[in-house]
Amino acid sequence: SQKIEQNSEALNIQEGKTATLTCNYTNYSPAYLQWYRQDPGRGPVFLLLIRENEKEKRKERLKVTFDTTLKQSLFHITASQPADSATYLCALGGSYIPTFGRGTSLIVHP
Amino acid sequence: DTGVSQNPRHKITKRGQNVTFRCDPISEHNRLYWYRQTLGQGPEFLTYFQNEAQLEKSRLLSDRFSAERPKGSFSTLEIQRTEQGDSAMYLCASSGRVAGNTIYFGEGSWLTVV
Repeated sequence: SQKIEQNSEALNIQEGKTATLTCNYTNYSPAYLQWYRQDPGRGPVFLLLIRENEKEKRKERLKVTFDTTLKQSLFHITASQPADSATYLCALGGSYIPTFGRGTSLIVHP
Repeated sequence: DTGVSQNPRHKITKRGQNVTFRCDPISEHNRLYWYRQTLGQGPEFLTYFQNEAQLEKSRLLSDRFSAERPKGSFSTLEIQRTEQGDSAMYLCASSGRVAGNTIYFGEGSWLTVV
């Protein structure tokens, strides 16, 4: 069955450093992959979408890579700030219905 | 564009009662989704509408759950005979032609069954 793996352990980093979050998947050939941010008690907020034929996408301090051979996406936040502390979810899709991973919590310390 | 709106934001109900949640999607979006999320987990797909047609429903969805989208606008999710295991956040999302594959979530409706 399809499986999406995100590190269940929180990632703790120091302000100003680059945070790198990982999303691995198995038994899946997604046409696209998305990253969302979720704050406690709130709905997920869309950040970036990358398609299977794209290797990398950037938006301001965010960068996403997508390796369909390794079946992995990396999500980078450069010059991280305490305000970046949240849970980050990856979502894979082949059609209109994305499937979500459980998310990884990022904590940026001042 | 006021975003996806969900009501009520919080609901506490006794086991065995019925509850209904409402979702108002972004106005130009024809696709509407319901997901459920429990603590420490990602959103789990429940059901999907395109306009007023319910096109897909999770196999995990109990027959106590029913969703409607009359006239392809707002949607309701009803849970009958609630159980403690139904306690979760119920998320509605919408998407449309311009949005492509991106879905936009509301703030969710928290359900606590006591």
